[in-house]
Amino acid sequence: GQQLNQSPQSMFIQEGEDVSMNCTSSSIFNTWLWYKQDPGEGPVLLIALYKAGELTSNGRLTAQFGITRKDSFLNISASIPSDVGIYFCAGQLGETSGSRLTFGEGTQLTVNP
Amino acid sequence: GAVVSQHPSRVICKSGTSVKIECRSLDFQATTMFWYRQFPKQSLMLMATSNEGSKATYEQGVEKDKFLINHASLTLSTLTVTSAHPEDSSFYICSVKRGGRWDTQYFGPGTRLTVL
Repeated sequence: GQQLNQSPQSMFIQEGEDVSMNCTSSSIFNTWLWYKQDPGEGPVLLIALYKAGELTSNGRLTAQFGITRKDSFLNISASIPSDVGIYFCAGQLGETSGSRLTFGEGTQLTVNP
Repeated sequence: GAVVSQHPSRVICKSGTSVKIECRSLDFQATTMFWYRQFPKQSLMLMATSNEGSKATYEQGVEKDKFLINHASLTLSTLTVTSAHPEDSSFYICSVKRGGRWDTQYFGPGTRLTVL
C-alpha cells in the first residue's frame, strides 16, 4: 500500500524562526492536505492542495504540491508559541479510492519563547 | 466555527460494556464519514468508511462485529465499541467528507475512550 514519509519527526525551534517540513510518497496523490493537531483534539485542516505545482498560503503558512505529485512541503514563517503541536500531511487519491486519506507519521513542533 | 462535532468527548467504561460515539456534520450533509483511531504519539489509522444508507467499509484488520457503524442520516454517524476491553482504549476521531471539487475531510474533536 501507499506510504508517506514525513520529516522531520520533531523540531525544537526558537520563537521567530521559520520552519519547514515535508512529506514524500512512493506513489502519486491527487490531493495533498496539511493538518495540525493539538493535544486531545482532532486534526484541523491548515491547507489543501489540489493541483501539481500548486503553491498556497494561509497566513504565515505556505504549502506546495510537488510537481511529481509524490511530495509536498509546509513552511511556517516567523513561528510563535501557539504553533506548537503535531503537523500531519495527508495524501488522497480521490473518488476512485473512496477518498481515503493516507497520513504521514507527523512532525512534533516545539517553539521556545 | 466547528464543522464536525463528536459526543462524548471522553468516556470511561468497564471492560465488557459497549460504548457509542456520535459524529455529527454541522455545516453540510455528508454522504461519507470516516472513523479513525489514534494511539498515543502515533498517526491516525483509518478504521472504516461510513456511507449513508449502506453498510460501512472496514479496513483490513478491523473487526466489523466489534466496531459497529451506523450512518442513519446525512449528518450523523455512530460508532459502537462492543464488549470493550482495555486494549480498545484509544482516541477515536471521525471526519466528514466535503465532496465535489473540494474533496476535503474535516475532523471532529475526538473521543477519548478509556476501558478499565
